[in-house]
Amino acid sequence: DGGITQSPKYLFRKEGQNVTLSCEQNLNHDAMYWYRQDPGQGLRLIYYSQIVNDFQKGDIAEGYSVSREKKESFPLTVTSAQKNPTAFYLCASRSASGNEQFFGPGTRLTVL
Amino acid sequence: QKEVEQNSGPLSVPEGAIASLNCTYSDRGSQSFFWYRQYSGKSPELIMSIYSNGDKEDGRFTAQLNKASQYVSLLIRDSQPSDSATYLCAVNIRGNFNKFYFGSGTKLNVKP
Repeated sequence: DGGITQSPKYLFRKEGQNVTLSCEQNLNHDAMYWYRQDPGQGLRLIYYSQIVNDFQKGDIAEGYSVSREKKESFPLTVTSAQKNPTAFYLCASRSASGNEQFFGPGTRLTVL
Repeated sequence: QKEVEQNSGPLSVPEGAIASLNCTYSDRGSQSFFWYRQYSGKSPELIMSIYSNGDKEDGRFTAQLNKASQYVSLLIRDSQPSDSATYLCAVNIRGNFNKFYFGSGTKLNVKP
């Protein structure tokens, strides 16, 4: 099956800890994205990557870091510098030929 | 000013009626427009994309785009209780194909 997978589905973090959210796609898409969604709000862009070994900050990159070492993978690290990390995190990808963006199932992060 | 604006709702319609969801955008360079459906606790699912002025129909869904007035709408005919969800409008701006801007979504309730 082609698609986007995210893990874990739920993640609990203690204050001061860094955590890494996984995002993998087997759609052969070039561009990948990380968004954050807070209750009752739209999606806010954290980071995006157009190609391997390249990524750009989105609108709310502070406290987050990413890497893009493989086309299939775009992990997001939520660092202790992120003051309010509790949210629903969504990974998405887009093909070079098309302009439609598709989402993974999401990771719900809660800071205890 | 937000890039994409939507009425948060909730919009309540009876089963079998037409639901009309609206979205306005601020950047005249916007070139691609998308509607996503998001069930509570789930990730967004792409249901329609539209790129040129006019109507685009797909089953019970019709997307309408008016670039002169800077709005895009989604009509759902013969609304079903299973259509109850939050509908997100997204735009992609010319020259910046790798960034998508999302509205905060309109919650639709279809009453049996």
